[in-house]
Amino acid sequence: EAAVTQSPRNKVAVTGGKVTLSCNQTNNHNNMYWYRQDTGHGLRLIHYSYGAGSTEKGDIPDGYKASRPSQENFSLILELATPSQTSVYFCASGEPGGNTGQLYFGEGSKLTVL
Amino acid sequence: AQSVTQPDARVTVSEGASLQLRCKYSYSGTPYLFWYVQYPRQGLQLLLKYYSGDPVVQGVNGFEAEFIKSNSSFHLRKASVHWSDSAVYFCAVSAASNTNKVVFGTGTRLQVLP
Repeated sequence: EAAVTQSPRNKVAVTGGKVTLSCNQTNNHNNMYWYRQDTGHGLRLIHYSYGAGSTEKGDIPDGYKASRPSQENFSLILELATPSQTSVYFCASGEPGGNTGQLYFGEGSKLTVL
Repeated sequence: AQSVTQPDARVTVSEGASLQLRCKYSYSGTPYLFWYVQYPRQGLQLLLKYYSGDPVVQGVNGFEAEFIKSNSSFHLRKASVHWSDSAVYFCAVSAASNTNKVVFGTGTRLQVLP
């Protein structure tokens, strides 16, 4: 079973502060993803990556940066956090193509911006 | 770009009843289609996936889904639900031209009454 670990699991930040959410996967997947989950919006894709050194914009990238320094690690960075970024963030890794490919999700990071 | 619509935010059924959760996708090419389930305070887990071939796909725990291209639909079904099926269910799509970008719907919260 693929292992995706997120940290921190809970974070309270102040408006204008910098927040970094970290994600680690141990299954050598090329692709990694950051989604946010909000009531009424489901999961929305923020950034994703094809491998170390690459980042791609998802559907809602504004206000977020991503960093993929290695195959195992993928970070989501909020340089100037705002209350509208209060949400639950999920990291995923996987190879969704082909007959059996899928994404594996972490347990989520709850961010509250005051 | 691909997208997914799940028209029912909440569905309530009695234990033992049959279930259908609706999903319609928008994509002009060949889609990869997924159903994921999210139990409380957890990440998402794959239920089933359609890639090609038989349009009826069997998943875990007695779930199945049918790909109907003419209707752009991928509804999830179960013949007899159990109280433990109470969860949030997400439909997702990726494009054959870019299988790495996976887009999710807004989710359907299923409540199974004992």
